[in-house]
Amino acid sequence: DSGVTQTPKHLITATGQRVTLRCSPRSGDLSVYWYQQSLDQGLQFLIQYYNGEERAKGNILERFSAQQFPDLHSELNLSSLELGDSALYFCASSVGLAGGPSSYNEQFFGPGTRLTVL
Amino acid sequence: GESVGLHLPTLSVQEGDNSIINCAYSNSASDYFIWYKQESGKGPQFIIDIRSNMDKRQGQRVTVLLNKTVKHLSLQIAATQPGDSAVYFCAEIRGNTGKLIFGQGTTLQVKP
Repeated sequence: DSGVTQTPKHLITATGQRVTLRCSPRSGDLSVYWYQQSLDQGLQFLIQYYNGEERAKGNILERFSAQQFPDLHSELNLSSLELGDSALYFCASSVGLAGGPSSYNEQFFGPGTRLTVL
Repeated sequence: GESVGLHLPTLSVQEGDNSIINCAYSNSASDYFIWYKQESGKGPQFIIDIRSNMDKRQGQRVTVLLNKTVKHLSLQIAATQPGDSAVYFCAEIRGNTGKLIFGQGTTLQVKP
């Protein structure tokens, strides 16, 4: 158990709908990261937040948005869903905000949310 | 575009043998690399990391080798066990963010 929790575990919805995925980081971690894992694209970085502020952006679609709240939990909002959005969505957390070899920056991954768009 | 790639999609080894999983990267400016293990139904789990100013780092039963000349990274697992069966990803970090760039993954199958 990494200490990172994600809800829901599974989500099935229809095209055109909007969903919200939730992540609670490990206690004390200030950074939250979102990744998408699909069969054709592999693991792709979406976005990073540090202490409530956006820090880095990756291959995140405009239909997707995220935020980190004062209690440090984060939500990933996916709207106008398409079939191709079906994937595993992982949240990770770390103490620090930067990459690099130290326990301060190690990312711990949650168990993921499996999104199925029908 | 730039990517971190893996040479083989699946590696099958006998229990007790050593395993070697390879990874190629294209950005010579990358300065930090990590190997992750992902078991079925779980998120990636950190195994071992290495900085670009090193060429070898050892952990418990695992060794990572970095060859910057040919931009190649490998993960060696000694005395492979059934519990090592998983998908292994190499990842790199560029710059001072925590943005991980993952390779495609290699599935390791351990035969008893």
